[in-house]
Amino acid sequence: GAVVSQHPSWVICKSGTSVKIECRSLDFQATTMFWYRQFPKKSLMLMATSNEGSKATYEQGVEKDKFLINHASLTLSTLTVTSAHPEDSSFYICSARGGDSDYEQYFGPGTRLTVT
Amino acid sequence: GQNIDQPTEMTATEGAIVQINCTYQTSGFNGLFWYQQHAGEAPTFLSYNVLDGLEEKGRFSSFLSRSKGYSYLLLKELQMKDSASYLCAVADSNYQLIWGAGTKLIIKP
Repeated sequence: GAVVSQHPSWVICKSGTSVKIECRSLDFQATTMFWYRQFPKKSLMLMATSNEGSKATYEQGVEKDKFLINHASLTLSTLTVTSAHPEDSSFYICSARGGDSDYEQYFGPGTRLTVT
Repeated sequence: GQNIDQPTEMTATEGAIVQINCTYQTSGFNGLFWYQQHAGEAPTFLSYNVLDGLEEKGRFSSFLSRSKGYSYLLLKELQMKDSASYLCAVADSNYQLIWGAGTKLIIKP
């Protein structure tokens, strides 16, 4: 149990375009979902926290108009990178909290974004 | 401020034991997590400690001392597949995870 999927697993896009990444909890209802980005050889950086049906809470320094987060249901959250730039190239990972645990975060497999 | 410290890199020999330390200073404490992350993959859960003491799970054990703001992850009978980064994370008063930078563990034959 407690499986989280992400789609796509990798994507290459051109500068100026937008990319949507989906995060789904497959066998539990995720009351809270988290979006992280990770640069090579660096730790996870929390971008935002989202609760189903409400606006996401963004971490300081993260542009909410650039990284659009929607948590429309208890099993789906999406991150849209708008007007992508090469510096947005990174590993994006979502996690979800819910189900049997109040504290554990279950991670998706991540999405590798490359902006050319 | 909030701070999680762990060594950047460690090297150990296959079959040996290694201890990865983590010290923390956070606003509130709702438990400490250890995650394993292989290169290019998402983290996978290893352990969760919220009370002082040692939690053993197979070859892996995790220890917590809340008064000292200290934890360690102990890996026994090291295997080559244990080569990975090990991330220490603390849940603060809002259950939000504060992450350490990770310890890269290199296992040599």
